[in-house]
Amino acid sequence: DVKVTQSSRYLVKRTGEKVFLECVQDMDHENMFWYRQDPGLGLRLIYFSYDVKMKEKGDIPEGYSVSREKKERFSLILESASTNQTSMYLCASSPPAGGGSPLHFGNGTRLTVT
Amino acid sequence: GENVEQHPSTLSVQEGDSAVIKCTYSDSASNYFPWYKQELGKRPQLIIDIRSNVGEKKDQRIAVTLNKTAKHFSLHITETQPEDSAVYFCAAGYTGGFKTIFGAGTRLFVKA
Repeated sequence: DVKVTQSSRYLVKRTGEKVFLECVQDMDHENMFWYRQDPGLGLRLIYFSYDVKMKEKGDIPEGYSVSREKKERFSLILESASTNQTSMYLCASSPPAGGGSPLHFGNGTRLTVT
Repeated sequence: GENVEQHPSTLSVQEGDSAVIKCTYSDSASNYFPWYKQELGKRPQLIIDIRSNVGEKKDQRIAVTLNKTAKHFSLHITETQPEDSAVYFCAAGYTGGFKTIFGAGTRLFVKA
């Protein structure tokens, strides 16, 4: 069974702080994704990566960056956290078929920026 | 841009009744349509999916239908049970692409 692990379940940060959200998957999946989940808006794609050191912007990349130095690890970085980034963040992975295959999600990190 | 519209946003049914959730997608290239269930405080998990070469797929009490011409797909849950209460997301993607576009979600309440 695929396991996607997000390092923190809950985080509280102050405005202006640099925030790192970490995600590790154990199934050797090529593709990894960061989504943001807000009520009434569904899941929106922030960034994705299809290979080590490769990254692509999703639909809402502003204010975020990512890092993928190893195949199993994908990090989301909030360069300067703002209150409108308070949200649930979900990491996911998938095999090479990408949009044609199921996503395996982590448990999520609920980030509060005060 | 690509989007997926999902209705209704909230659905309340009596235990034993059926529930139907409908989605519409905009990208003609979409050929993969998964449905995810997210229980309170948990991760979204795939419950059923359908590819564009199939019109209907069933798995016990859950079925999904796809109308490619109209760009509609629907989730049908029969004989609902309280443990079916959750948020359900439809999504659309395509083989060879990377993006999966999600609907806004439907919160299903099954009253015992």
